[in-house]
Amino acid sequence: EVQLVESGGGVVRPGGSLRLSCAASGFTFDDYGMSWVRQAPGKGLEWVSAINWKGGSTGYADSVKGRFTISRDNAKNSLYLEMNSLRAEDTALYYCTRVYSSSWYGWCAYWGQGTLVTVSS
Amino acid sequence: DIQMTQSPSTLSASVGDRVTITCRASQSISSWLAWYQQKPGKAPKLLIYKASTLESGVPSRFSGSGSGTEFTLTISSLQPDDFATYYCQQYNSYSWTFGQGTKVEIK
Repeated sequence: EVQLVESGGGVVRPGGSLRLSCAASGFTFDDYGMSWVRQAPGKGLEWVSAINWKGGSTGYADSVKGRFTISRDNAKNSLYLEMNSLRAEDTALYYCTRVYSSSWYGWCAYWGQGTLVTVSS
Repeated sequence: DIQMTQSPSTLSASVGDRVTITCRASQSISSWLAWYQQKPGKAPKLLIYKASTLESGVPSRFSGSGSGTEFTLTISSLQPDDFATYYCQQYNSYSWTFGQGTKVEIK
């Protein structure tokens, strides 16, 4: 059974940093691209970032480019999102998702349950 | 960036109704479109990919069509479990975009 378990969320002050993690199991992790999608409270889905199977190709939404960094450790079956210079508008539930193929763009059949990031003073 | 516009934003319908949700892309995305269903407090669930391919395990009352810039998600006979919010997603460009969502409510 495919499982994606996010962690690392919490409350952080504006301008602060946070690192999210996603532990994957139930599939061959380095066969697939992975991504982060977020959802602000009461709002719709927003793509944040994605990475290909090897980590050599990544993509970012304009809203996070230059502030967030996606990475993965295939030996640990883990996906990460390093978030710096956090803003109030980054407050959201962050989902880890598995892309359908080894590239980083496509559809997502598997989603975690999310980890909540709150940016507030 | 490619913008995705869904309509309507909210839809009131009854059990047994045929429901259609539209998603328009600001430029052609071929058939690189997916549809998701999300219920309150839950992660989104994939329904359709490549505009019209039904994900395994999804009931056949769901169908997708379209290509280029206009796409539709149709529920042929709305069931109680289908009241939820639906999102389209494009993955054509080197950037993903979701539509703003369509909430299907009980009439």
